[in-house]
Amino acid sequence: DTAVSQTPKYLVTQMGNDKSIKCEQNLGHDTMYWYKQDSKKFLKIMFSYNNKELIINETVPNRFSPKSPDKAHLNLHINSLELGDSAVYFCASSQGRGNRNNEQFFGPGTRLTVL
Amino acid sequence: GENVEQHPSTLSVQEGDSAVIKCTYSDSASNYFPWYKQELGKGPQLIIDIRSNVGEKKDQRIAVTLNKTAKHFSLHITETQPEDSAVYFCAARMYSSASKIIFGSGTRLSIRP
Repeated sequence: DTAVSQTPKYLVTQMGNDKSIKCEQNLGHDTMYWYKQDSKKFLKIMFSYNNKELIINETVPNRFSPKSPDKAHLNLHINSLELGDSAVYFCASSQGRGNRNNEQFFGPGTRLTVL
Repeated sequence: GENVEQHPSTLSVQEGDSAVIKCTYSDSASNYFPWYKQELGKGPQLIIDIRSNVGEKKDQRIAVTLNKTAKHFSLHITETQPEDSAVYFCAARMYSSASKIIFGSGTRLSIRP
């Protein structure tokens, strides 16, 4: 299936731990994104990469570090997890940098729960 | 900064009736306005979009209107069906940033049988 996939789907961990979420797209897109959706459903962009280059870096704690080994993958590493990091994290991709009206395709989400 | 406001936050309509969701945006240079539908346990999915040079666009039971002067845009769903129940997000693409899309706060639409 052509899609944006994320692993894991659920992640439960203790405060202070370090965890990673992986994202892969096989759509041949150039741009990938990470979004955070909180319990009230607010959807906010965190990062965006175009061909492995960081192009959007919103005001997020330094504990969050995206890594793009190639244009089909964008992983999110989170250090020293805090309670407030609990949310659903969505990966997305689009063709091009977005200077055209390009649809963003979203993955199924990773529900992170920090205890 | 750029802001997108969405109303109402929840909406319940009788099956077969119409549903309307309204959004406003703050950046007058925004030029692309997508609407996403998020079903339970899934990621958002694009259902329709409109560009700033168009006032209205329709796709079967779904239509979107844009008023650039007032910086308003709306989603209209006619002849609602149970499968229309979901959370709907409006969004606006900032002209000043190539890829950044700002989402509204979402509307939870429920269709009553």
